[in-house]
Amino acid sequence: NAGVTQTPKFRILKIGQSMTLQCTQDMNHNYMYWYRQDPGMGLKLIYYSVGAGITDKGEVPNGYNVSRSTTEDFPLRLELAAPSQTSVYFCASSPGTAEAFFGQGTRLTVV
Amino acid sequence: QKEVEQNSGPLSVPEGAIASLNCTYSDRGSQSFFWYRQYSGKSPELIMSIYSNGDKEDGRFTAQLNKASQYVSLLIRDSQPSDSATYLCAADSGGYQKVTFGTGTKLQVIP
Repeated sequence: NAGVTQTPKFRILKIGQSMTLQCTQDMNHNYMYWYRQDPGMGLKLIYYSVGAGITDKGEVPNGYNVSRSTTEDFPLRLELAAPSQTSVYFCASSPGTAEAFFGQGTRLTVV
Repeated sequence: QKEVEQNSGPLSVPEGAIASLNCTYSDRGSQSFFWYRQYSGKSPELIMSIYSNGDKEDGRFTAQLNKASQYVSLLIRDSQPSDSATYLCAADSGGYQKVTFGTGTKLQVIP
């Protein structure tokens, strides 16, 4: 049972480069989320989606974009990477009970 | 700004003792509260949820909620070294099953 799968696990980007963090879930959950976690700062919500075709901004959306073309996939796009985007990124999904199931995370470093 | 506050710790307890983790929240409209456990370098996993005032027990874990005081706690009885982790408190914050996370309390159980 795969759950929530994120790729890649690690990535180093140069300032100004772009990349897409992939997230897919096989639990047929409607709700999906992207968080970033900085050391000692807890989890901050970047974007969320309540179903295919519907996305909305969270607490820290600047510098990111998302799309949700299918129930399973919720990719996060970073445009023009900046050092401030160095973080650990977690994708999560929920069946609507507010319990979130997290992927294993992507550790991103921007240099 | 809806906030969830936790003492970052570390909280050190001897093996077999009771660990008490505390959390306060600012949004009086929050109805759902969660405790996630996060091992170093891993993703958060849900260990307890609580929705009404009082205590909720699950094995060695007891969650306590006091909405009047806007206070949530987690007690871990018979603490084990394997309980050493960061514990994240979270509260729902405005529909679509969004939650606000605290910064986490690091627990160290000393053998």
